[in-house]
Amino acid sequence: AQSVTQLDSQVPVFEEAPVELRCNYSSSVSVYLFWYVQYPNQGLQLLLKYLSGSTLVKGINGFEAEFNKSQTSFHLRKPSVHISDTAEYFCAVSVRNNDMRFGAGTRLTVKP
Amino acid sequence: EAEVAQSPRYKITEKSQAVAFWCDPISGHATLYWYRQILGQGPELLVQFQDESVVDDSQLPKDRFSAERLKGVDSTLKIQPAELGDSAMYLCASSLDTFYGYTFGSGTRLTVV
Repeated sequence: AQSVTQLDSQVPVFEEAPVELRCNYSSSVSVYLFWYVQYPNQGLQLLLKYLSGSTLVKGINGFEAEFNKSQTSFHLRKPSVHISDTAEYFCAVSVRNNDMRFGAGTRLTVKP
Repeated sequence: EAEVAQSPRYKITEKSQAVAFWCDPISGHATLYWYRQILGQGPELLVQFQDESVVDDSQLPKDRFSAERLKGVDSTLKIQPAELGDSAMYLCASSLDTFYGYTFGSGTRLTVV
């Protein structure tokens, strides 16, 4: 079965600095990869997804992620963060028509 | 923009009581999921429906949890009796196909006291 490991539980960063949130996955078959964001007491909102094709995926709010098959990674990046990006970020993996498996989450805290 | 509706948003209940959560997915989404998210962790699947049929309930504690989607539209998740360890966020999601990702509702925050 597929699984996801988010390598950092917390990432503090100053406003306007770049950030990278790391995600590794494990699967014996081709997968779909996703990043979601969750604000306090809210559901999860889709940031971006990789299904196939170009390995660089652009999402909402200026985020992008790069799929690296050889390293089984799908790291999320943003060149300049804002205070409003403070939230919990979840990496997820899915095989077609099966359930989505989530990582434990990375708490991004943007400081002024 | 279409949303997944969940109610209630917050629920406080005493242990050993019964509690129920409701979810109305996006119209036309055949697949519906219930996830449980313990504070500080990622969501974990409890049950997956395809239309009115259960596809996967292997992680559902069936001695106390039940889920139904009688007409293949909205769904109810029930816990009876509730235990202290059931305190968590219960998230409902729906999708046309995994290919498109899931749309999540705002969740129900359950506190068992």
